[in-house]
Amino acid sequence: AQSVTQPDIHITVSEGASLELRCNYSYGATPYLFWYVQSPGQGLQLLLKYFSGDTLVQGIKGFEAEFKRSQSSFNLRKPSVHWSDAAEYFCAVSGGGADGLTFGKGTHLIIQP
Amino acid sequence: SQTIHQWPATLVQPVGSPLSLECTVEGTSNPNLYWYRQAAGRGLQLLFYSVGIGQISSEVPQNLSASRPQDRQFILSSKKLLLSDSGFYLCAWSVGEGNTIYFGEGSWLTVV
Repeated sequence: AQSVTQPDIHITVSEGASLELRCNYSYGATPYLFWYVQSPGQGLQLLLKYFSGDTLVQGIKGFEAEFKRSQSSFNLRKPSVHWSDAAEYFCAVSGGGADGLTFGKGTHLIIQP
Repeated sequence: SQTIHQWPATLVQPVGSPLSLECTVEGTSNPNLYWYRQAAGRGLQLLFYSVGIGQISSEVPQNLSASRPQDRQFILSSKKLLLSDSGFYLCAWSVGEGNTIYFGEGSWLTVV
């Protein structure tokens, strides 16, 4: 069965500092990988996705993620965070079928002024 | 462009009462449809998914049911709510390569 681990429940970063959110997955074949962001009381918004090809993918809001097959990782990065980036971030994996995504438990990002 | 509508946004229901959450998708045809639940602000649990009208797959045995009466309509129901049914319910849809999932704004359910 596929699974996703986000080892950091909370991360605090100063505004303007760089950010990296970790995500490790378990999947038997080539996965489809996603990052979503959720503001309080809102639905989830897709930040970026990886299907194949270039292992560094660019997303919205200045985010990027790198797929590393050898490490089974898909870490999310941003060079300089803004206060508006404070939110919950979810990593997810699927095999591309109709049976939905498997999500990690999320990382709560706090931005310090 | 595609949009997804989910209602009601907030619901407070007594234990033992029925539930109906509705979701419709516009701007696409034959989407895969999903109901997820997010309890206590942590993690997302897939409850049901549907690949077509009348086709429902249940991921977790529970007090809830789902129906898809039309191609772009997905309904989450319960005959008798339990306290443990409280949570944030998210409808979602997908289509195409990789079945990228797009979420609605969610419905807050509090069972009292």
